[in-house]
Amino acid sequence: AQTVTQSQPEMSVQEAETVTLSCTYDTSESDYYLFWYKQPPSRQMILVIRQEAYKQQNATENRFSVNFQKAAKSFSLKISDSQLGDAAMYFCAYRSSTHYGGSQGNLIFGKGTKLSVKP
Amino acid sequence: DVKVTQSSRYLVKRTGEKVFLECVQDMDHENMFWYRQDPGLGLRLIYFSYDVKMKEKGDIPEGYSVSREKKERFSLILESASTNQTSMYLCASRGALSGSPLHFGNGTRLTVT
Repeated sequence: AQTVTQSQPEMSVQEAETVTLSCTYDTSESDYYLFWYKQPPSRQMILVIRQEAYKQQNATENRFSVNFQKAAKSFSLKISDSQLGDAAMYFCAYRSSTHYGGSQGNLIFGKGTKLSVKP
Repeated sequence: DVKVTQSSRYLVKRTGEKVFLECVQDMDHENMFWYRQDPGLGLRLIYFSYDVKMKEKGDIPEGYSVSREKKERFSLILESASTNQTSMYLCASRGALSGSPLHFGNGTRLTVT
């Protein structure tokens, strides 16, 4: 069974600095999707970024980028120029692309990393 | 923009009560999900549905049931609420394509006393 591990329960960063959140996963599949979700204090989970495993190029969305290392099964999130609004819980998630129907296609979440941003 | 609406933001119920949590999405998504979120445990899947009247158990279905009579609505039912069901409940939906992301509601914080 696939697992997702976020080894940092909490992190903090100074405003305008860069921070990297770690995520590793375990799978025997070669084709899958990886996601980072953000959950601010307002509780709405928001998709931050998505990566398809067959793409070698790292996904980027404005100040958010990933370092996807397929062989190492690592998927870290880098937040550049951190802002106060980036303070949130961040969840890494995995989904198989070969079994996207039924239970095997469900998202598997890590336990989350709480990010604080200091002014 | 996809909108997933959960009917209640906060709910307080007594032990033994039957509780209904409602979720509606406006994007004609085939798949809908109920998660519970607890500190240190992350998100755990309770039930999901991939079509009207279809449902499948997730990782922690005990004590819960679901109903999906219409495509846009997915209800979570606690037949007899217990204090260990005090939690944050998140509803989500997604389209049929394999790369489709989940879209979440705002969550319902349920307290069972």
